Amino acid sequence: SQQGEEDPQALSIQEGENATMNCSYKTSINNLQWYRQNSGRGLVHLILIRSNEREKHSGRLRVTLDTSKKSSSLLITASRAADTASYFCATDGGDDKIIFGKGTRLHILP
Amino acid sequence: DVKVTQSSRYLVKRTGEKVFLECVQDMDHENMFWYRQDPGLGLRLIYFSYDVKMKEKGDIPEGYSVSREKKERFSLILESASTNQTSMYLCASSPISGRRADTQYFGPGTRLTVL
Repeated sequence: SQQGEEDPQALSIQEGENATMNCSYKTSINNLQWYRQNSGRGLVHLILIRSNEREKHSGRLRVTLDTSKKSSSLLITASRAADTASYFCATDGGDDKIIFGKGTRLHILP
Repeated sequence: DVKVTQSSRYLVKRTGEKVFLECVQDMDHENMFWYRQDPGLGLRLIYFSYDVKMKEKGDIPEGYSVSREKKERFSLILESASTNQTSMYLCASSPISGRRADTQYFGPGTRLTVL
């Protein structure tokens, strides 16, 4: 079944640096979403990007989508300690099922 | 803001017990979901409900049942808890009936341990 797979699995960067994580998927999608999960908590929706969009911004977050490569990236600029979390991409397909990837664990070092 | 609440943050039960996990959303959403999250396996859908008294099986429904008697409340039931049901359980909701791939709003999760 199609599934978004995040890369890398884990990422550690210094506070203030930019963090980039990627998501690849297998079949055509209608939209792709990114979620954040702080340790031991529920997921929080960050951004939804539709298949006819190439880029979307929300505050310090920038998401790109390349449907020809079946990939998306999430960029967090000027990272903060509070950005430490796991980040998941979620993809859908023609059957309207949403499938979550296994996530990228981001750790912001002081 | 959408608020999804779950009845317990942590729960410890014994093998064979009947377990109820409750979820309530306050935004009049049509859809509600139950997932479990395990290390290395990600989020897996257990059950989905698109209306009161309506439900669909997800990817891993075995050992679980659900109840949705009111629009705002979706319960997950473990009829006879087993140790392999130790997990983090996440409830979510989304606004439009039947459309599962829209933005979902999650509760804080219930970490269930079955001894």
